[in-house]
Amino acid sequence: DGGITQSPKYLFRKEGQNVTLSCEQNLNHDAMYWYRQDPGQGLRLIYYSQIVNDFQKGDIAEGYSVSREKKESFPLTVTSAQKNPTAFYLCASSPRTGTQPQHFGDGTRLSIL
Amino acid sequence: ELKVEQNPLFLSMQEGKNYTIYCNYSTTSDRLYWYRQDPGKSLESLFVLLSNGAVKQEGRLMASLDTKARLSTLHITAAVHDLSATYFCAVDRGSGTYKYIFGTGTRLKVLA
Repeated sequence: DGGITQSPKYLFRKEGQNVTLSCEQNLNHDAMYWYRQDPGQGLRLIYYSQIVNDFQKGDIAEGYSVSREKKESFPLTVTSAQKNPTAFYLCASSPRTGTQPQHFGDGTRLSIL
Repeated sequence: ELKVEQNPLFLSMQEGKNYTIYCNYSTTSDRLYWYRQDPGKSLESLFVLLSNGAVKQEGRLMASLDTKARLSTLHITAAVHDLSATYFCAVDRGSGTYKYIFGTGTRLKVLA
């Protein structure tokens, strides 16, 4: 079955540490996205990529970095510069044409130790 | 700047009742989506609305789009407990950008 796999499901970060969240899709989608969701709030766009080797900042990119070396993979690194990283992180993908909705992974919950 | 507002933010309703969730957006967009999220879970696509006057129905949920008013509604008919979830609308930021902005969500609780 096609879908999006995020790992790990839960992640703990120590002060000053960088951590990387994995996102892999086998839907053959060109576009991939990272969102942050804080309790009781909507989704905010961190980064998005519409094609391999290209990505753009979203609304809250500071303290985060991404790469898109393969079509299937779009990892997100939460750097030590992100002072408030505790949140639920969702990865999504969609075709770059047409009107299909985004498909979402099951999310990674990141907490600070 | 495109803004997407939903109301109400919280909705507690009795089983069997009807209610409507509203999604207003501030600039022109040619695509509007509704998603459902169960607590601690991912988002599931419910509806895609593409044109003025579009109406989609699935079970007890019906979504509509008025592009002139920049308004979409999600109507719940004869609510059941299983519909308890958070509902989000999302709008494409501009024609063909495939970059979306989400509403704040409406947290629905259906009481037995």
